[in-house]
Amino acid sequence: AQSVTQLDSQVPVFEEAPVELRCNYSSSVSVYLFWYVQYPNQGLQLLLKYLSGSTLVKSINGFEAEFNKSQTSFHLRKPSVHISDTAEYFCAVSGGSNYKLTFGKGTLLTVNP
Amino acid sequence: DAGVIQSPRHEVTEMGQEVTLRCKPISGHDYLFWYRQTMMRGLELLIYFNNNVPIDDSGMPEDRFSAKMPNASFSTLKIQPSEPRDSAVYFCASSNTANYGYTFGSGTRLTVV
Repeated sequence: AQSVTQLDSQVPVFEEAPVELRCNYSSSVSVYLFWYVQYPNQGLQLLLKYLSGSTLVKSINGFEAEFNKSQTSFHLRKPSVHISDTAEYFCAVSGGSNYKLTFGKGTLLTVNP
Repeated sequence: DAGVIQSPRHEVTEMGQEVTLRCKPISGHDYLFWYRQTMMRGLELLIYFNNNVPIDDSGMPEDRFSAKMPNASFSTLKIQPSEPRDSAVYFCASSNTANYGYTFGSGTRLTVV
């Protein structure tokens, strides 16, 4: 079985500040890791994913996440946030031959002017 | 590519009535997933299909819920009879084995009164 823990349910920050959204997972097999973003009244959109290779993965809008196997973490970071980054962010894990994703509870990122 | 299409976007029904939610996955995707999102439980996987065959329905809450995928381009999730506790946003997502990472639909917001 696999699980995901997102340590913060809400993260308020000011515009242009750096942010880190934390994600820890547990799995007995090798994992694939994902971050999704959900804007109000919309579905989830894939932000970035780690499948193999480089442990640092990046999105087109400036977010990055690093897979840390020893700490079983996949934290999401952005050096400078914008108002438009306000959304809920979900970490998810898929492992082994089990193709289904298990999602964390989500972190609401609120960027204030 | 129109993405994953769900209908209706909103559904309000009375307790005891039958509700049918519909989903059209992205052409060429061989996996289809139904998720339910609530404030209390977050995102829960209800059931998923591979090549139109149900693979795991362990998340279906009770016999009142059923899902079908008669062909590669259409799936339904039915609740009969509906209850107020079924009120949630129901998401459909699709993917393929060549490219991990789901594409979600915009969801159906179900309210049972």
